[in-house]
Amino acid sequence: RKEVEQDPGPFNVPEGATVAFNCTYSNSASQSFFWYRQDCRKEPKLLMSVYSSGNEDGRFTAQLNRASQYISLLIRDSKLSDSATYLCVVNNFGNEKLTFGTGTRLTIIP
Amino acid sequence: DADVTQTPRNRITKTGKRIMLECSQTKGHDRMYWYRQDPGLGLRLIYYSFDVKDINKGEISDGYSVSRQAQAKFSLSLESAIPNQTALYFCATSIPNSGRPKPHPDTQYFGPGTRLTVL
Repeated sequence: RKEVEQDPGPFNVPEGATVAFNCTYSNSASQSFFWYRQDCRKEPKLLMSVYSSGNEDGRFTAQLNRASQYISLLIRDSKLSDSATYLCVVNNFGNEKLTFGTGTRLTIIP
Repeated sequence: DADVTQTPRNRITKTGKRIMLECSQTKGHDRMYWYRQDPGLGLRLIYYSFDVKDINKGEISDGYSVSRQAQAKFSLSLESAIPNQTALYFCATSIPNSGRPKPHPDTQYFGPGTRLTVL
């Protein structure tokens, strides 16, 4: 089983719609969770951290469910510029190494 | 100007050749990383360095070596390139969690990537 698993997609979503992705992780000792965004042929960039209580940044909401070992990302009122690959990233306690999921590809359709 | 730069951005080489990929950063971060990205496999860690005197193997270090010449420079070498090392290579930097304010824990900052093709 992969340490971090994501549905690769692609998700093709009309502009203005709401879309959600999930990501599961296998190591119950995982402590830090993130969503990174990667545009085609570009480097990954941090989108948002995921906190236990859930957190929101504008149109983006991230949730963590430790009991079921998954994190989610919700994008509301999707924009064309949201088209990208979204990487789920996990870090284990005391370990500065990040483990990346393979990414979920999102395309927003006009 | 970019905080993390990589050279070259693209490279085509032949099997058996020695290749060096270079990474420089102006962020003042102690920690540097080399990853490779392959379709369907995601980012995988090759080597990482927490300071100039510290070098650690990642999950896929075989066939690679690194050199941390200074805090700002971290080079990745392929001593004898082979076709399955064809990939997109990223350098990244970060700062440790403790003793500083930070916008996000464990944030890594990536360079623009080097696309390497081994024929």
